[in-house]
Amino acid sequence: SAVISQKPSRDICQRGTSLTIQCQVDSQVTMMFWYRQQPGQSLTLIATANQGSEATYESGFVIDKFPISRPNLTFSTLTVSNMSPEDSSIYLCSVEGAGASYNEQFFGPGTRLTVL
Amino acid sequence: AQTVTQSQPEMSVQEAETVTLSCTYDTSESDYYLFWYKQPPSRQMILVIRQEAYKQQNATENRFSVNFQKAAKSFSLKISDSQLGDAAMYFCAYRTNDMRFGAGTRLTVKP
Repeated sequence: SAVISQKPSRDICQRGTSLTIQCQVDSQVTMMFWYRQQPGQSLTLIATANQGSEATYESGFVIDKFPISRPNLTFSTLTVSNMSPEDSSIYLCSVEGAGASYNEQFFGPGTRLTVL
Repeated sequence: AQTVTQSQPEMSVQEAETVTLSCTYDTSESDYYLFWYKQPPSRQMILVIRQEAYKQQNATENRFSVNFQKAAKSFSLKISDSQLGDAAMYFCAYRTNDMRFGAGTRLTVKP
């Protein structure tokens, strides 16, 4: 398994601003993902963070709104840009390929974002 | 597109009893992985159990076991000897190229 931390754990932001969420893993992993979970709902994949190249976005999510960085095998950031109240959600980082746990995803504790 | 369906939005079980959460999925793939995740109110997603589609034997992890019916595309989770700490949202997930989650089942455990 892997130990994953996210910063911040929660934030309240004003409309039109941007927030960058950090995801740190305690070991090198092959895959990192960003999910959104709206209150009381399931998880929706935003994008796969690729090390050394541009992230791969799912339908409905674009780089201008959710720029992602992954400078190395243990760290990634997700920015929520030009926020609106509709962006209020929990944002989860997950990793795959930690040690022998291939094809299993482990999740960070999440970042609860509220946009006013 | 692959879809995952959890038909039970909420379930309730008495402490020490057994409960089964249902999950069905739709796919044309023959090789894939299935998972059950637990999300307590603290919101940390925890992997409960996994099943490889090529394995006929049902996975078991202590009090948690699955009933994997590949032909029926069904993947239910059985929790035996339910404990108060089992109360959580349970998500079924399917993986080939990426992970797809069901809508979740909220499990309540009554003392």
